[in-house]
Amino acid sequence: QVQLVQSGAEVKKPGASVKVSCKASGYTFTSYGISWVRQAPGQGLEWMGWISAYNGNTNYAQKLQGRVTMTTDTSTSTAYMELRSLRSDDTAVYYCARDSGSGLFFDYWGQGTLVTVSS
Amino acid sequence: DIVMTQSPDSLAVSLGERATINCKSSQSVLYSSNNKNYLAWYQQKPGQPPKLLIYWASTRESGVPDRFSGSGSGTDFTLTISSLQAEDVAVYYCQQYYSTPQAITFGQGTRLEIK
Repeated sequence: QVQLVQSGAEVKKPGASVKVSCKASGYTFTSYGISWVRQAPGQGLEWMGWISAYNGNTNYAQKLQGRVTMTTDTSTSTAYMELRSLRSDDTAVYYCARDSGSGLFFDYWGQGTLVTVSS
Repeated sequence: DIVMTQSPDSLAVSLGERATINCKSSQSVLYSSNNKNYLAWYQQKPGQPPKLLIYWASTRESGVPDRFSGSGSGTDFTLTISSLQAEDVAVYYCQQYYSTPQAITFGQGTRLEIK
């Protein structure tokens, strides 16, 4: 069965960086893209960007351009999301999600990783 | 970016009754070349990731109960739960994927409760 398993919770200071991993199993990793979506406490869903696991092409949300980098390691079927220059309003649960293959809607999600930014 | 606006923000419905959630996009998400609406619906329960319910505006994801249905076209869409069950208490989100992969956007969410 398809699974996306994310790394554990992180606590970071303002200005630091965080790198969250998302290990995929149960499907051919390079046949689908991965998006990252975050959710601040008590708030809605915000799409952060997308990476093709096939060729590494990326597209990032405009508001995060320059602070976010998404990568994949096809040898371990793992996707990564690094966010730099962290601010308090980056405190959120970060989800990886697999796109369907036919459109950029998301049929499988990771369990979420809480990133807390606090001095 | 395409702005997605859901209504209402919260909704209380009696068990067994119909629940209707609306989603309006700031521009059409109907792609004329394939006549498909690039609109999905998700359900999110507390402490869980979102779950895909509906895609292409009206196609039910495998395993989703048939009391969930999606309708609409262009800029106006509806998620209907025909007979509310206790396990349907959740927040529901619409999402457009028309302007992909540059700018996927979600609605603000609708909280559904039991009356």
